[in-house]
Amino acid sequence: DQQVKQNSPSLSVQEGRISILNCDYTNSMFDYFLWYKKYPAEGPTFLISISSIKDKNEDGRFTVFLNKSAKHLSLHIVPSQPGDSAVYFCAAFSGSARQLTFGSGTQLTVLP
Amino acid sequence: DAGITQSPRHKVTETGTPVTLRCHQTENHRYMYWYRQDPGHGLRLIHYSYGVKDTDKGEVSDGYSVSRSKTEDFLLTLESATSSQTSVYFCAISSTGRAGELFFGEGSRLTVL
Repeated sequence: DQQVKQNSPSLSVQEGRISILNCDYTNSMFDYFLWYKKYPAEGPTFLISISSIKDKNEDGRFTVFLNKSAKHLSLHIVPSQPGDSAVYFCAAFSGSARQLTFGSGTQLTVLP
Repeated sequence: DAGITQSPRHKVTETGTPVTLRCHQTENHRYMYWYRQDPGHGLRLIHYSYGVKDTDKGEVSDGYSVSRSKTEDFLLTLESATSSQTSVYFCAISSTGRAGELFFGEGSRLTVL
């Protein structure tokens, strides 16, 4: 049973518009939530994270929102750029186990 | 960039043969991980290590073993490769810094015929 779910395998947006990527989780014990970005033929790279005690974290064009009651988080990218086209993985971190559990990923395509 | 390298980067092998993938780090990080990436499944944890000779199983450990005799090296072994183990394998390392932040290698693509 997947503990971290990304229900949209793909998303296309126009350059300059907002991209919203969504993620749901089932385990209330996760301590941190993270987003990773992956280009083809490369390893994933860390993008942004949020503690389970926060509801928003912003870093430049990237903002992550956490809704604990709904067990839902989202990544907003504003404005979207063609270089943002990649697979985005949502991940949840358990401090006690020091393990990261990933979702299945969303392929974002930003159209020029 | 974190100093982490995987070898080999590409390998084609036959069912039933043993395969070893190597992960080497120059960061002296304590934690090392092996993940596999498959379409529709994202990244799934195979095994991880929290120190020399200290390893534990992840979500999809069946058919895999690991060893860590030195801080810098983490080996993943498929004792008898099967077609279901065709995948892209990623090694990752982490310090005790930002929680959940892993640094990944570039991946090893394994094809089992």
